[in-house]
Amino acid sequence: SSELAQPPSVSVSPGQKATISCSGDALGNTETAWYQQRAGQSPLLVIYQTNKRPSGIPERFSGSKSGNIATLTISETQAMDEADYYCQAWDRDTHVLFGGGTKLSVL
Amino acid sequence: QITLKESGPTLVKPTQTLTLTCTLSGVSLSSGPVGVGWVRQAPGKALEWLAVIYWDDDYRYNPDLKSRLAVMRDSSKNQVFLTVTNVDPMDTGTYFCAHEPFYYHESGYYSIAFDVWGQGTLVTVSS
Repeated sequence: SSELAQPPSVSVSPGQKATISCSGDALGNTETAWYQQRAGQSPLLVIYQTNKRPSGIPERFSGSKSGNIATLTISETQAMDEADYYCQAWDRDTHVLFGGGTKLSVL
Repeated sequence: QITLKESGPTLVKPTQTLTLTCTLSGVSLSSGPVGVGWVRQAPGKALEWLAVIYWDDDYRYNPDLKSRLAVMRDSSKNQVFLTVTNVDPMDTGTYFCAHEPFYYHESGYYSIAFDVWGQGTLVTVSS
């Protein structure tokens, strides 16, 4: 399968931990990336190679994977983390796959 | 500092061909190993990958759109072009180009994903 499934929405209280899942057959054979997209902005890479943070991304962002499920975790979520989050991977033919996106609400 | 900027028409009529340009600065397409990808986003919808071209001129297309897409580059101008033929109102959206760096490890190249994105350009398909 070439699809990546994400929950449409996740809600979290400020200071609490947020977890966003991404599932798909392709994840068993490839690395995963995660992007944050705030309203009206371009996507921003927050996790690459499943669990690495680019320079400048806060330590509260972390990634992990178990089997065919990748997870983005935001510890001590802040109001500024409210955004859409997309997972991304590759299929066996190195085609890029994006998940359907998860809207994170910080209430 | 690496930057990318998309340019092209804002309004295209159905059945026409859309051509977009991505101009890179701070990185050379021919110095490798890098790629430049195209991703679009319909209003209120998710990201959709379209195509990528690599430093060695290899490329990949979204299988669902492959027959309508073409990607090419002009290394002398540090530009990448995307054409979409026979456009339809469903092609309306914001088109992004993005930088994809690679690293070499144990006889293979590995992607670091799309680490720098352009601001995007909104294209409307309407008669």
